[in-house]
Amino acid sequence: ELKVEQNPLFLSMQEGKNYTIYCNYSTTSDRLYWYRQDPGKSLESLFVLLSNGAVKQEGRLMASLDTKARLSTLHITAAVHDLSATYFCAVADFGSNYKLTFGKGTLLTVNP
Amino acid sequence: DSGVTQTPKHLITATGQRVTLRCSPRSGDLSVYWYQQSLDQGLQFLIQYYNGEERAKGNILERFSAQQFPDLHSELNLSSLELGDSALYFCASSVVGGITDTQYFGPGTRLTVL
Repeated sequence: ELKVEQNPLFLSMQEGKNYTIYCNYSTTSDRLYWYRQDPGKSLESLFVLLSNGAVKQEGRLMASLDTKARLSTLHITAAVHDLSATYFCAVADFGSNYKLTFGKGTLLTVNP
Repeated sequence: DSGVTQTPKHLITATGQRVTLRCSPRSGDLSVYWYQQSLDQGLQFLIQYYNGEERAKGNILERFSAQQFPDLHSELNLSSLELGDSALYFCASSVVGGITDTQYFGPGTRLTVL
């Protein structure tokens, strides 16, 4: 069974600082997704990473995928308060018809 | 606004009851997914339909069933409800349901079982 682990689960940072959220997964996959969820809201797709070495950037967020290490990172640059949310990674499981398995999420709080 | 609609937004019911959650995908999307989000289990994939046919099954209980109709809307039926079924149920849709597709999530239905 595919397992997806995110860390940290809670992250409190100051505005202007940089930090990285890590997503490790247990079986072979080269399809990884990052989502954002605001409190009480739905999930918003941030990035779709489709191959080893894939890197995507949008504003202050950059995601990368290392399929050999079974690791994806979501890097936050010069955080601002608007980035406060819960971030989920999800991995497509080849063994189960590509169903998505989600990590537990990282609750990010950016303080002024 | 993702373009995916779900009704109702909130549902409060009693144990043992049966409810139906409805989802309308984005215009043009053929695939619909159902997810359950709870504090205990996190986000879990339940089931996927593509153009009316079941495509993938996740951690869906036998008490739960779903279908996708010819107009592509989908319904998730939850029966013999238990307290532990209280959760946020999301529907998502994508164009063809392939692994490169982006899934667009609806606003969710919050189910409370008392």
